[in-house]
Amino acid sequence: DGGITQSPKYLFRKEGQNVTLSCEQNLNHDAMYWYRQDPGQGLRLIYYSQIVNDFQKGDIAEGYSVSREKKESFPLTVTSAQKNPTAFYLCASSPTGYNQPQHFGDGTRLSIL
Amino acid sequence: AQKVTQAQTEISVVEKEDVTLDCVYETRDTTYYLFWYKQPPSGELVFLIRRNSFDEQNEISGRYSWNFQKSTSSFNFTITASQVVDSAVYFCALSEANYGGSQGNLIFGKGTKLSVKP
Repeated sequence: DGGITQSPKYLFRKEGQNVTLSCEQNLNHDAMYWYRQDPGQGLRLIYYSQIVNDFQKGDIAEGYSVSREKKESFPLTVTSAQKNPTAFYLCASSPTGYNQPQHFGDGTRLSIL
Repeated sequence: AQKVTQAQTEISVVEKEDVTLDCVYETRDTTYYLFWYKQPPSGELVFLIRRNSFDEQNEISGRYSWNFQKSTSSFNFTITASQVVDSAVYFCALSEANYGGSQGNLIFGKGTKLSVKP
């Protein structure tokens, strides 16, 4: 079945460590997105990519980095510069266009050790 | 500035009650889409409906219905005869054609947590 796969489901980060969250989609969507969800805060956009080899910062990009080398993959790295990384991270994809619904993965919950 | 407000943080109802989730939006754009998503306890967001700014016709899908009123900038969601399986966090979102920075970017409300008790 087509969908979005995020891994791992749970991730723990030590102080000073970079960690990478995986996001893969087989929906043939051009656009991909990363969101951060904190309790009571809704979803906030970290990075998005409308096409391979191109990506843009969202509202809260500081302390995060991404790459888009393949259409299917959009990994997110949480760097040591992100001082408060504990959150639920959601990846999404969609066809290009403002009228297109985004399809979401199951999320990765990141915690600090 | 663009914004989506879901004033109800949490709602608790008893099974079979009707419940309405409110969504109010702000936008500078004349062309936009509104969306509703459901987030069950498992975490993934499930797309429920989209509505474009030129179509104010209400929509019904089974026990779900949506009321879009441009005059009040609202896009409310009603669940009729609620069930325990409706328990989830529900998000309203806005996508603008011309001011989104990039087409397709969604502006989410903070969500309404619905608890349906048996």
